[in-house]
Amino acid sequence: GQNIDQPTEMTATEGAIVQINCTYQTSGFNGLFWYQQHAGEAPTFLSYNVLDGLEEKGRFSSFLSRSKGYSYLLLKELQMKDSASYLCAVTDSNYQLIWGAGTKLIIKP
Amino acid sequence: GAVVSQHPSWVICKSGTSVKIECRSLDFQATTMFWYRQFPKQSLMLMATSNEGSKATYEQGVEKDKFLINHASLTLSTLTVTSAHPEDSSFYICSARYGFGPGPQETQYFGPGTRLLVL
Repeated sequence: GQNIDQPTEMTATEGAIVQINCTYQTSGFNGLFWYQQHAGEAPTFLSYNVLDGLEEKGRFSSFLSRSKGYSYLLLKELQMKDSASYLCAVTDSNYQLIWGAGTKLIIKP
Repeated sequence: GAVVSQHPSWVICKSGTSVKIECRSLDFQATTMFWYRQFPKQSLMLMATSNEGSKATYEQGVEKDKFLINHASLTLSTLTVTSAHPEDSSFYICSARYGFGPGPQETQYFGPGTRLLVL
């Protein structure tokens, strides 16, 4: 079956750095997405990786290793507004998007 | 760019009535639109995928006669919840993408969602 694993919940301190991991087992691979979803709101697109390596976008970076079926989202200089759920999603060989259950990130002052 | 709107943002209706939700891509043409449902503190659940001008593809367990999807143009898709019941109360979210195939065009951009409460 197709599976995406990410931690259910993480806690970090304001100003610090946090890394949210995502491992996947899918039928083929055509890209990996990270979305942010604040409570009660719809997801917003953060990043897209299709090749191995690190993509940096401001305070957020996303890394992909296709051989390991692994990605992480790195958040630097954490702010209280970064408290949200972070969803990892993978496009399989049929271009179907497989969603992870999300990681709830709690930022403490 | 890549803005998706949804209307209405909130709807309260009586049991047995039908509710229509609109999803529009405002600054791009969406080859495909998706409809999701999310219950409190649960994951996104894909309900159906629709391509402009063709019938929607529904996920297993989603009643196509209850959740009618129309994708009449490249910028508009509608979801109609027919004969709504309290158990249909949920957060309905649409998303749209402008392309197909490996690459950024695969990105789904989400509307703000519609909260449905059926009394």
